Amino acid sequence: GAGVSQSPSNKVTEKGKDVELRCDPISGHTALYWYRQRLGQGLEFLIYFQGNSAPDKSGLPSDRFSAERTGESVSTLTIQRTQQEDSAVYLCASSLGGSSNEKLFFGSGTQLSVL
Amino acid sequence: KQEVTQIPAALSVPEGENLVLNCSFTDSAIYNLQWFRQDPGKGLTSLLLIQSSQREQTSGRLNASLDKSSGRSTLYIAASQPGDSATYLCAVQTGANNLFFGTGTRLTVIP
Repeated sequence: GAGVSQSPSNKVTEKGKDVELRCDPISGHTALYWYRQRLGQGLEFLIYFQGNSAPDKSGLPSDRFSAERTGESVSTLTIQRTQQEDSAVYLCASSLGGSSNEKLFFGSGTQLSVL
Repeated sequence: KQEVTQIPAALSVPEGENLVLNCSFTDSAIYNLQWFRQDPGKGLTSLLLIQSSQREQTSGRLNASLDKSSGRSTLYIAASQPGDSATYLCAVQTGANNLFFGTGTRLTVIP
């Protein structure tokens, strides 16, 4: 596609339920990133994929968070047993090769609200 | 750990004014510094990327400078327009394909 696509754009869930957030990167981009942005705060790095591998998972806040990527394309971020503090905008970004001087292209994000 | 600070947090200016947004970072060992804009309900749009060996980058009415040794960058916007209203985010990349973001400056350009 022309840009990074994320779905759903909005998700409201009840505390304790599991959610899946999807990211479709720009076609041909090998690097994919997930970030979280809480209200009024900066972006927090969650995880980075190079191809289907995740060399850096250092930002995942707990074992309730997991992510996978398949076909060097679509990625899914799963949050199990959601808590209210998980409420945030989850942003996905991709870049061409993952080198250190490439621009990142961001999706519009998924607004997650945990009631 | 790298910390990125942006000042001011919010700024309102009348249309046509030139303005400067500031960004500072604590660790000068960076690969690059990027400026993004974020519109409500939308993702981030990359504006400018300055590599660590560069001093500035320009795109249209935007000019970004980088002083790596002092840990500072500025984004200069000339002849501001209402369409420039957005949140501007500064981010530094430090190896390992990770960006450290500031909390942004919310800019309002008043017609």
